[in-house]
Amino acid sequence: DTEVTQTPKHLVMGMTNKKSLKCEQHMGHRAMYWYKQKAKKPPELMFVYSYEKLSINESVPSRFSPECPNSSLLNLHLHALQPEDSALYLCASSQDNAGGRDEQYFGPGTRLTVT
Amino acid sequence: AQKITQTQPGMFVQEKEAVTLDCTYDTSDQSYGLFWYKQPSSGEMIFLIYQGSYDEQNATEGRYSLNFQKARKSANLVISASQLGDSAMYFCAMRESSTNAGKSTFGDGTTLTVKP
Repeated sequence: DTEVTQTPKHLVMGMTNKKSLKCEQHMGHRAMYWYKQKAKKPPELMFVYSYEKLSINESVPSRFSPECPNSSLLNLHLHALQPEDSALYLCASSQDNAGGRDEQYFGPGTRLTVT
Repeated sequence: AQKITQTQPGMFVQEKEAVTLDCTYDTSDQSYGLFWYKQPSSGEMIFLIYQGSYDEQNATEGRYSLNFQKARKSANLVISASQLGDSAMYFCAMRESSTNAGKSTFGDGTTLTVKP
């Protein structure tokens, strides 16, 4: 099973709302990632969890709050977002083999619109 | 300097022909991995092919092959017998052994359009 699932597929939220994005993988991967991607641009890394611990935070604003409840689940809590936060949010997972084969498997993404 | 450079913002290819998408990289690590991903308009990124820095043979996966020239620091993706479904954005990425857990660097991508 090489599937990463994400919910919801689409999300429209106001600037005062609180919402969460969810991601799940059942591949036994040790690393999970959140990316933000604008149209026609490469994905920008936001957070990496390795063995359920936050290992990378790419100076993401505090209105984005990640959570890794267990090795299969990854959440991204959203609060007081700005219109410029509208983007495709991708979750991914990998084995976490430094310097070796460490391809990432991505979910279908959540298209977020902040109004 | 950019770590991953994809110099072709857009490429066109006729159906059934082969196409090469360019990727050059910059690293001082001896151990690293190179990856290609495909992103159709639906949004999901799909892993295509991997090449390790110590691999002596070029990687192949079905219609995809990687032309790895280590001395030139290039890792070009070759797609043979293009199909309409190959129309997508393609990203080259690198994972260096010296970087923090899981961090890969992505190029800016190449949009491939396959013409019928």
